Amino acid sequence: IVMTQSPATLSVSPGERATLSCRASQSVGGDLAWYQQKPGQAPSLLIYGASTRATGIPARFGGSGSGTEFTLTISGLQSEDFAVYYCQQYNNWPQTFGQGTKVEIK
Amino acid sequence: EVQLVESGGGLVQPGRSLRLSCAASGFTFDAYAMHWVRQAPGKGLEWVSGVLWNSATTGYADSVKGRFTISRDNARNSLYLQMNSLRAEDTALYYCARDIGVVTAAIGYWGQGTLVTVSS
Repeated sequence: IVMTQSPATLSVSPGERATLSCRASQSVGGDLAWYQQKPGQAPSLLIYGASTRATGIPARFGGSGSGTEFTLTISGLQSEDFAVYYCQQYNNWPQTFGQGTKVEIK
Repeated sequence: EVQLVESGGGLVQPGRSLRLSCAASGFTFDAYAMHWVRQAPGKGLEWVSGVLWNSATTGYADSVKGRFTISRDNARNSLYLQMNSLRAEDTALYYCARDIGVVTAAIGYWGQGTLVTVSS
């Protein structure tokens, strides 16, 4: 299953909303996760089950979608949110990641 | 506290082999599926391989199938990745990772990675 993220780079001002998209080449049901990765760090889980926030993740992070179309929304971007975001399907093995969306400061 | 500590990375010539290890602690190791995920320098994440809790099911990315073998030793709380016929494109930081839950298969925990460099 090929995961395609868009856009590759998103320029957003602090306090604004960021909307990231992820499309699967075939249905993955709700088995979709979002990860955040900052430079020099391992990825960290934000969302699983397409819309469930992982422990400790603030409410400004929201996930939606099912089947082949998914969205990660970050409301009120804060300085610590500028990072690279990856979607991943775990419905079928081999599991696959999208190529990532870099959220940068505008 | 969940801890995953990788080891075994290094510089290796093309065509040679390397074995990565991951020491797990802070949780009931034999209850969870485990994975290897890699990241080439400056690139994105690539799921390499996974193994269910009882080793009954393993999976591989097409890019490593037939060359890499994942295994686990539940008695030693350890995960392994045997990498044979290494290529330059296998150069990456290799992360050991654990599912978030016994049932939920998203990756919830990551090690800090071990660097594999394939070069002559």
